[in-house]
Amino acid sequence: DVKVTQSSRYLVKRTGEKVFLECVQDMDHENMFWYRQDPGLGLRLIYFSYDVKMKEKGDIPEGYSVSREKKERFSLILESASTNQTSMYLCASTEISGVGSYNEQFFGPGTRLTVL
Amino acid sequence: GENVEQHPSTLSVQEGDSAVIKCTYSDSASNYFPWYKQELGKRPQLIIDIRSNVGEKKDQRIAVTLNKTAKHFSLHITETQPEDSAVYFCAANRDDKIIFGKGTRLHILP
Repeated sequence: DVKVTQSSRYLVKRTGEKVFLECVQDMDHENMFWYRQDPGLGLRLIYFSYDVKMKEKGDIPEGYSVSREKKERFSLILESASTNQTSMYLCASTEISGVGSYNEQFFGPGTRLTVL
Repeated sequence: GENVEQHPSTLSVQEGDSAVIKCTYSDSASNYFPWYKQELGKRPQLIIDIRSNVGEKKDQRIAVTLNKTAKHFSLHITETQPEDSAVYFCAANRDDKIIFGKGTRLHILP
């Protein structure tokens, strides 16, 4: 049974603070993703990583960075949090079974971040 | 890049009736189309997916159809039950990524 965990369910930070959101998966998945979920906007991809130390920008990378030092862990970093980054953040992972072969994404429980 | 449009944003159906959610995509190279269900306060979970080499796939009360020519795909839920109440997301692949629609909130009315 795949498990994707996130470091916090709820987080409150102040404007300008540096924020770290951690995600860990236990199924040796190659690909990991960070999304933010806002009402009426669905799931928007911030960054994804297809291997250790590899990363690629998603659709809304501005204001965020990521780190993947180990295969099982993918971190999202808000260098200087702003109020418009208040959102639900979801991490996901997926196994790669070949070039162009897509599989189920397994999501973490989410972190609801509030920036005051 | 890939855009995925989903309609309607909200859908209310009487318990026992059918529900249909429709999506369109823009990238003709897309070949994988999953559907995720997110219950209130929970994480999204895959309920069904379809690949471009088939036009329809069914799993009990859930079915998905794909029209590659028109670039649209649909989720059909028959004999709806209260536990079907949730937000449903369609998605399509773009390169190594999955791009999601904005979601449909489905209400099952008693």
